[in-house]
Amino acid sequence: GAGVSQSPSNKVTEKGKDVELRCDPISGHTALYWYRQSLGQGLEFLIYFQGNSAPDKSGLPSDRFSAERTGGSVSTLTIQRTQQEDSAVYLCASSRRTGTGGYEQYFGPGTRLTVT
Amino acid sequence: GNSVTQMEGPVTLSEEAFLTINCTYTATGYPSLFWYVQYPGEGLQLLLKATKADDKGSNKGFEATYRKETTSFHLEKGSVQVSDSAVYFCALLKAAGNKLTFGGGTRVLVKP
Repeated sequence: GAGVSQSPSNKVTEKGKDVELRCDPISGHTALYWYRQSLGQGLEFLIYFQGNSAPDKSGLPSDRFSAERTGGSVSTLTIQRTQQEDSAVYLCASSRRTGTGGYEQYFGPGTRLTVT
Repeated sequence: GNSVTQMEGPVTLSEEAFLTINCTYTATGYPSLFWYVQYPGEGLQLLLKATKADDKGSNKGFEATYRKETTSFHLEKGSVQVSDSAVYFCALLKAAGNKLTFGGGTRVLVKP
């Protein structure tokens, strides 16, 4: 079946511009996550959506970062006024959120963001 | 808070050698433990998991046992192949939480 998809695969932007990154989770998965993978920081959690509950935004590094999930499916991560330190691979994952343990998360291919 | 520590790489091996990547964790309660693999140019893939103490996860010849007494989840493979060259990430998920906490990753290079 189709996996998690992300677009664009690569994005180069100038410092100070806004960018939007898109994630399409696996059909039927109710939980959606954003992570960031960078050389200096490794893999970091950013934000988590589960159904209609309020998202867990505890990993967002600044108020320039925001995300929304429309209709319980597609999600968009927005970075405003991009800075060079925002350069990273942004990963989206989804899970079925089973009732006990597991909570296996399946990752998309990522969006490589380069801020010049 | 939660944390995962894994051995730094790169680990360079010859084909058919035995591979061990150490992983230890710090967490309250009883987390689930995972190994993810990232092949060159590809995304993260779930390799195996264990959800409670003494569980053994296995896949593609890799194994890891959830050891609560030593808070460890070491990854092993008896005979590696060139195709196992990748970066391996150990991760934990708290039972009551949602975010994965990852180790720093270990790059493995298998030479023919």
